[in-house]
Amino acid sequence: ETGVTQTPRHLVMGMTNKKSLKCEQHLGHNAMYWYKQSAKKPLELMFVYSLEERVENNSVPSRFSPECPNSSHLFLHLHTLQPEDSALYLCASSQEGSSTRTDTQYFGPGTRLTVL
Amino acid sequence: QKEVEQDPGPLSVPEGAIVSLNCTYSNSAFQYFMWYRQYSRKGPELLMYTYSSGNKEDGRFTAQVDKSSKYISLFIRDSQPSDSATYLCAMSAPLGLRGGADGLTFGKGTHLIIQP
Repeated sequence: ETGVTQTPRHLVMGMTNKKSLKCEQHLGHNAMYWYKQSAKKPLELMFVYSLEERVENNSVPSRFSPECPNSSHLFLHLHTLQPEDSALYLCASSQEGSSTRTDTQYFGPGTRLTVL
Repeated sequence: QKEVEQDPGPLSVPEGAIVSLNCTYSNSAFQYFMWYRQYSRKGPELLMYTYSSGNKEDGRFTAQVDKSSKYISLFIRDSQPSDSATYLCAMSAPLGLRGGADGLTFGKGTHLIIQP
């Protein structure tokens, strides 16, 4: 596998379900991100993990919970979602550091989530 | 005023034409400027990355940044049907993390159609 992979690629869930999205990066990067892409809206940054620090977008509801067990893996745990949470969820990674800072983020293919 | 403004299109041009895509922004803290290309049902793919004002060329693509006017452009020469996609401008600003990771703010994307 190369680049950034995401599973599942498609997910349909009811409002009472609990599911998790998985992201894995094979680029040796040290920062990972979750973005939400809704129709007719810009990509929205949800969470960032960088060198074990986490940044959250304060507008993201608590029904979304991220987990980053190591620099290669990122999860987004979902519970009691609403139909308006239906969107494409994109994972990205980048290499950050004083000598290697590039600010370029590489994206996975996304998980298309539908909440019924 | 939105942080990043981008005309969603669609923009339809004949094959071989020069395409001009643009974004304006309001946040002076943005430091890095990127263009991503996104095909249907795929994640965004990094096309161009610039830091300073001026032009940067890569094959048929030229990225232009004017920080004084807060305006960025992407030009595509000799456009091909395979260039048909959504083009997203993105801008980065520091999140204040030790590792230096930035958050990206995206435009809505311009849907480009190259007619054979």
